[in-house]
Amino acid sequence: DAGVIQSPRHEVTEMGQEVTLRCKPISGHDYLFWYRQTMMRGLELLIYFNNNVPIDDSGMPEDRFSAKMPNASFSTLKIQPSEPRDSAVYFCASSTGVGTGELFFGEGSRLTVL
Amino acid sequence: KQEVTQIPAALSVPEGENLVLNCSFTDSAIYNLQWFRQDPGKGLTSLLLIQSSQREQTSGRLNASLDKSSGRSTLYIAASQPGDSATYLCAVSEGAQKLVFGQGTRLTINP
Repeated sequence: DAGVIQSPRHEVTEMGQEVTLRCKPISGHDYLFWYRQTMMRGLELLIYFNNNVPIDDSGMPEDRFSAKMPNASFSTLKIQPSEPRDSAVYFCASSTGVGTGELFFGEGSRLTVL
Repeated sequence: KQEVTQIPAALSVPEGENLVLNCSFTDSAIYNLQWFRQDPGKGLTSLLLIQSSQREQTSGRLNASLDKSSGRSTLYIAASQPGDSATYLCAVSEGAQKLVFGQGTRLTINP
């Protein structure tokens, strides 16, 4: 299995621009998670989906952030408009089975907003 | 609100030593606890998963223990090697799937 695939690996953009991060989970995994990692705050859960349905988006920082999962093999995290404080590494992860909890992470998308 | 703390934040030891990394959490009502490894510029790799009903899990040179009542877990690494150098994170599961992470311990094994 190819694992969780994220793109782009690196993104540099200017403040105010729209940013779209993409994720392909492991085939057969029912849960998909978006995390953000910064030096100051560590790993924070932004949102997670079960069977393509958003279950908990309480970690999404503000309305500038949105996430979708149109099908079982694809999800996007969009930031519009982006701000310098959004600079972080964004991870996508997937898992299967309620209660097992073992997560498989992608390599991350490093976002820099100038 | 669940809080996860890892001590120490950084650890440097010579190759061959056995070592212990610590993780504590404030709310004992957890589903499971996981230990992850993160290499620089990479994603997280799951090392060990301990269900709430279990006391420990072992994989090769790694052994993780869980004491729910005291809110603690340890990761024991035997006969450390330079390739073990990485950041180790623990995470507890709140609800069926929601993980809360610690800040991690940066481990350096010196040849």
